[in-house]
Formats: sequence, structure tokens, C-alpha cells
Amino acid sequence: QVQLQESGPGLVTPSETLSLTCTVSGGSISGYYWSWVRQPPGKGLEWIGYIHYTGITRYTPSLQSRLTMSVDRSNNQFSLRLSSVTAADTAVYYCARLLHTAIPGQSYNYHYMDVWGKGTTVSVSS
Amino acid sequence: DIVVTQSPLSLPVTPGEPASISCRFSQSLLHSNGFYYLDWYLQKPGQSPQVLIYMASNRASGVPDRFSGSGSGTHFTLKISRVEAEDVGVYYCMQTLQDRTFGQGTKVEIK
Repeated sequence: QVQLQESGPGLVTPSETLSLTCTVSGGSISGYYWSWVRQPPGKGLEWIGYIHYTGITRYTPSLQSRLTMSVDRSNNQFSLRLSSVTAADTAVYYCARLLHTAIPGQSYNYHYMDVWGKGTTVSVSS
Repeated sequence: DIVVTQSPLSLPVTPGEPASISCRFSQSLLHSNGFYYLDWYLQKPGQSPQVLIYMASNRASGVPDRFSGSGSGTHFTLKISRVEAEDVGVYYCMQTLQDRTFGQGTKVEIK
């Protein structure tokens, strides 16, 4: 079955750029949307954004000016770059697949996060 | 932006008894296609979140039928008909009508 694995540096210096990669195994990155979600220590979940395998993106407004997502179909990976980080960006970062399901009577689908990675902890500190 | 209020934030439960979690939104989650754009997720201790319900009332694959989702307009409910010990964790609602917004989370623990 499809598995996701986040990777990246566990420590980032304030004002620098956080870069994470999610590697998809057991299935193809093609045909799906892929999402990022983060969880600050002791807090709830925050949706970051998603990217389609074709490169179409949607970001949460609060991070949009600092956020870039990309997809590498040849390596079955997708990535996140968050610039100008501060301590507030310290969190566990999860990647997830958005599974599409048909909506009765419609030509488009509904998408929900059905497979998640184990998460990677990123600390922003000098 | 759609604002969500999830309640309660903490829910002690007795195994075998029912449990209910509520999410209220600042605007209706009804899409023009007639369906409600809301998911429910459970994050068990030390684990990644897992989907329970999508489109307000559809159980995801492999989810036990003791879990059910209901609601309309701005108010939605997740119900567990008979709580089991393995159901402990934090439950989140998430609207998907305008981008995505998670609720604050409800921590379910055994009494």
C-alpha cells in the first residue's frame, strides 16, 4: 500500500528557509493531490496547503507569501519550502495524500486525506 | 475565512457508552452540489491523524460502524455509539469548503 515519508533538517535557523520532502512509495504520485499539515508542540493541526501532481497549488492564506510547493514526478516526491522562518514555525510537519472520491451527479471529485506520513519534527532556533 | 468552534475540548468517556463531539462553523458548509464539505479525523496518541468521516457522513474505508457523522448547515456532530478503549485520542473536524480549516480538537480519554 502507499506509504509516505517526510524528510528534511530537524533544525532551521531563524530567517532561513525550511525545506521538506515527502517521498511516496508503493504507488505513483500521478493522479493525486498531495497535502502538508503541521502541528506545533502541544497544539492542534494546521493545514498548510496542497499540490496536484501537475503542479497546481493551493496554500493557506496565512503562509502564502512565504510558501512554495513543488512536485518531482520522476522521483515520486513532492516538497515544501517555507521562507523567513521564526520560532512560530516550529512543528511536526506531516505530508498526506488526498484521495479523490466521486460526488453523485457531478463531474468533479471530493478529496480527503487518506494516507499520512509519520511526520517530521522541525525546530526553528539559533 | 470560515471560523470553527469545536466542543467539548475534553471528553472523559466510559467504555461501552456513547460519545458525541460537535463542530459549529461561522457559515454553512453546504456546497452548491448539495453536499456538505466536512471531514473528521482522529489522532491517536503518538500517531499521525487518520480519516474517519468525509463529506459529513461518509465513513472512510476500514472505519468501524460505531462511528457516524451527521449535521447540516453550520452544525455537525461525530458520534461514537459505544466507545472502545482504542478510540482514545484527539478528534478534529475540518471544513473543506474554503481551503481547509481544522477545529481545535477534542481530547477523548477513558474515565
